[in-house]
Amino acid sequence: DTGVSQDPRHKITKRGQNVTFRCDPISEHNRLYWYRQTLGQGPEFLTYFQNEAQLEKSRLLSDRFSAERPKGSFSTLEIQRTEQGDSAMYLCASSPEGAATYEQYFGPGTRLTVT
Amino acid sequence: AQSVTQLGSHVSVSEGALVLLRCNYSSSVPPYLFWYVQYPNQGLQLLLKYTTGATLVKGINGFEAEFKKSETSFHLTKPSAHMSDAAEYFCAVKRWEGGSEKLVFGKGTKLTVNP
Repeated sequence: DTGVSQDPRHKITKRGQNVTFRCDPISEHNRLYWYRQTLGQGPEFLTYFQNEAQLEKSRLLSDRFSAERPKGSFSTLEIQRTEQGDSAMYLCASSPEGAATYEQYFGPGTRLTVT
Repeated sequence: AQSVTQLGSHVSVSEGALVLLRCNYSSSVPPYLFWYVQYPNQGLQLLLKYTTGATLVKGINGFEAEFKKSETSFHLTKPSAHMSDAAEYFCAVKRWEGGSEKLVFGKGTKLTVNP
């Protein structure tokens, strides 16, 4: 068990560019979550996958954001036409199927800076 | 809908002193509550969780929390602070909506430990 991994750890991009982040959950965890954390705030939910199905998208996830989880394994989060307000830490988490009591395991995050 | 409020965005204690971080929750159903810790530029690590059963929950690194339904509280304590406890701490409640689930976080409390 190597934990949840995210790539890249840091991304600096110019406003208007597209960026894509990757998350590899703990193997055999069928639930995957994306959160966004801005400075001085707690993580805010963005979206939830159960296997390959995206079951919920937060209203925070505008049309410029898209997330996928092909084949229920890794997930990608793409932001198109980035804006300075997109600067944040993007966190991925996973949890196993089964009891609702299971916690979510978080990755190290991808810190995005839009200049 | 479930939510949490963390009282005090910054807490400062001396090494060896008691640590008390406050969390109050709002939930119309029996809550599942979590405390996570975040070190600078890292993801979140679970300290402890309450789902059902014993209301005094022990976690890692000497932390514990007590679920008090009458006070709608889930405060985090540690008898003796260590320098390595300096970090940001987040209280969270699990929310279920329409087949989806997510964690709803408080805004966090930054703990400083003075030598």
